[in-house]
Amino acid sequence: NAGVMQNPRHLVRRRGQEARLRCSPMKGHSHVYWYRQLPEEGLKFMVYLQKENIIDESGMPKERFSAEFPKEGPSILRIQQVVRGDSAAYFCASSSEISRDIETQYFGPGTRLLVL
Amino acid sequence: QQQVKQSPQSLIVQKGGISIINCAYENTAFDYFPWYQQFPGKGPALLIAIRPDVSEKKEGRFTISFNKSAKQFSLHIMDSQPGDSATYFCAARDSGGGADGLTFGKGTHLIIQP
Repeated sequence: NAGVMQNPRHLVRRRGQEARLRCSPMKGHSHVYWYRQLPEEGLKFMVYLQKENIIDESGMPKERFSAEFPKEGPSILRIQQVVRGDSAAYFCASSSEISRDIETQYFGPGTRLLVL
Repeated sequence: QQQVKQSPQSLIVQKGGISIINCAYENTAFDYFPWYQQFPGKGPALLIAIRPDVSEKKEGRFTISFNKSAKQFSLHIMDSQPGDSATYFCAARDSGGGADGLTFGKGTHLIIQP
């Protein structure tokens, strides 16, 4: 499967715990984007990363949320001290380094986070 | 501020009919406009995309119409089939140095009745 992979697919956390979401981009892709989707809403951009660099985090909440994309391994979206309002579907997308293809973003299946 | 407004929120079309979903944007720096299809429990899948240098793009039964002066674009699904029943999102992006993520509309729930 050469698509974008995300895990876990479902995650349940109690208030105050940490949530860690993982994303492996498509083979050959080095650009990763994270989006959040609330019920009956469109996707909201959170952060854009390239290997070892955060390029644009304009959509990321200022507190409790962080993201990384290390040289080796998947991209991680970390939510500390989760609250009920963090319950949502979190989608990762990736795009190619080839300039003419860079704008085409391919989405993973998402992680559905439920905070009790 | 909602930068991409999508309508209608839901749409019911008879099998074989034409489904039309409309989007309007405010940011004149947007220069890439994709449409995504999402089935329940799945991630969005790219359907078709257009740049503002053309007024129409067609791929199979899917057509994007683009009106730059009105800052509007629409998705037309010809000969709609029950398998097209899904949520459709329009999106826009400023490729020239603005925010790197896509700005999405709120989605249209499309139901194709057999």
